[in-house]
Formats: sequence, C-alpha cells, structure tokens
Amino acid sequence: EVQLVESGGGLVQPGGSLRLSCAASGFTFSDHYMDWVRQAPGKGLEWVGRIKNKANSYTTECAASVKGRFIISRDDSKNSLYLQMNSLKTEDTAVYYCVSVPSYYGAPFQDWGQGTLVTVSS
Amino acid sequence: QSVLTQPPSASGTPGQRVTISCSGSSSNIGSNAVDWYQQLPGTAPKLLIYNDNQRPSGVPDRFSGSKSGTSASLAISGLQSEDEADYYCAAWDDSLNAHVVFGGGTKVTVL
Repeated sequence: EVQLVESGGGLVQPGGSLRLSCAASGFTFSDHYMDWVRQAPGKGLEWVGRIKNKANSYTTECAASVKGRFIISRDDSKNSLYLQMNSLKTEDTAVYYCVSVPSYYGAPFQDWGQGTLVTVSS
Repeated sequence: QSVLTQPPSASGTPGQRVTISCSGSSSNIGSNAVDWYQQLPGTAPKLLIYNDNQRPSGVPDRFSGSKSGTSASLAISGLQSEDEADYYCAAWDDSLNAHVVFGGGTKVTVL
C-alpha cells in the first residue's frame, strides 16, 4: 500500500522559513517524480513544484508564485521528499500535499499524502 | 482566477447523471491529457480519471471522462450519496513557464 506522510507544518511569521518533509513507502520512490500541491483554506488546488528522478537529473520546476523562495529536494536513500520554504508570505497559508507522479510528461498526480497545514501569520 | 474553468456547483438526485465541464485553451487541454480528482470532505484529493478517459483500478465505471478540443467533461452516472465531493480537472500547460494547471473545482451535491 502506498503511503505518503507529510510533516513539518505549523505556524510561522511572515518572512520566516519552514521545512516540510514527506516520508514515502509502498512504491519505488526513486523511479517517480515527486510534486507538492497546496490548497489554501476553502480554496482550490495549486501546483507548487516538482522534482524529477535521478534519470532526469533531479531537475526541479516551481510555480511562478514560489520561484526563488521555495526549494524542492529529495533523498532517495531515505524515500523522502522535502520542501524548504523561505520568505513566507500570508498567501502561502495552505495545506501542503506530497504527491507521487509516474515519470513521464503529462503523468497524473497518482497518490497523495494527507497533507500538512502551514499557517503564515503574525 | 483559475486557468481551467469549471462551474462552481452541480447537483442531482440519487440515480441521476451529472456532468461537469472543464474549459481551457490550446496550450493546456488542447494539447495535453486531462485528469480529474475527487476530494471528499475533509480528505486529500484522489485521482479519479487520467489521460482524458482512463480510470485507475478501483474507480467505479459510473465515472467517465471525455475531451473535445479545448474542453473536457466528467460524467457521473447513477449518482450516489457518497459522490458528494469537490471535483477538480487538471492538465499540463505548455506556455512559457510550463506547469500543471487546475480548474477551480466543482462542488457536487446529492439532493
């Protein structure tokens, strides 16, 4: 059974930093692309970014709204995904989901974690 | 304002057929596969339809997807109370900053 478990969410002040983690199991983590998708309270889904697999040089891509502030990384030896969030803004408040994606262009968001809530507020 | 346009709500009685539309452009739906996600209240989204009309294992055949040009649709036939949820369409967008775009979501209510 595929499991994706996010952690690291919480309350942070504007301008602050936070690092989210996602522990994966039940599938070949190293083969997959891994994404972050977020959902602001009462709002729709927003793609945050992606890190590809080793075969694709661990290339990362980010949404324009977080580019230059958020960094996505992974550790295949630990089956873990990370999201380093810097210079946080109130509009970054959301539930952040870790998502596994098969490693081809246009692949769907296959499996989702339960999400972790990040609240940016003074 | 979402890149893909969905109606905010849809409803039907048990057993009815409900259809949700998703409108995009040539850079997203017109040139890439459309996926649909179901989000039950208080839970994470779940993949419902991928590659326009394919169902992952375990998804009932009451759910079907279609696409024509720059629009896509999700149909739920034989509507059941457990289908009450938010539904999102998504597609890769080939514009300058290639990325995944979502619809704003459609809340389906079973009357």
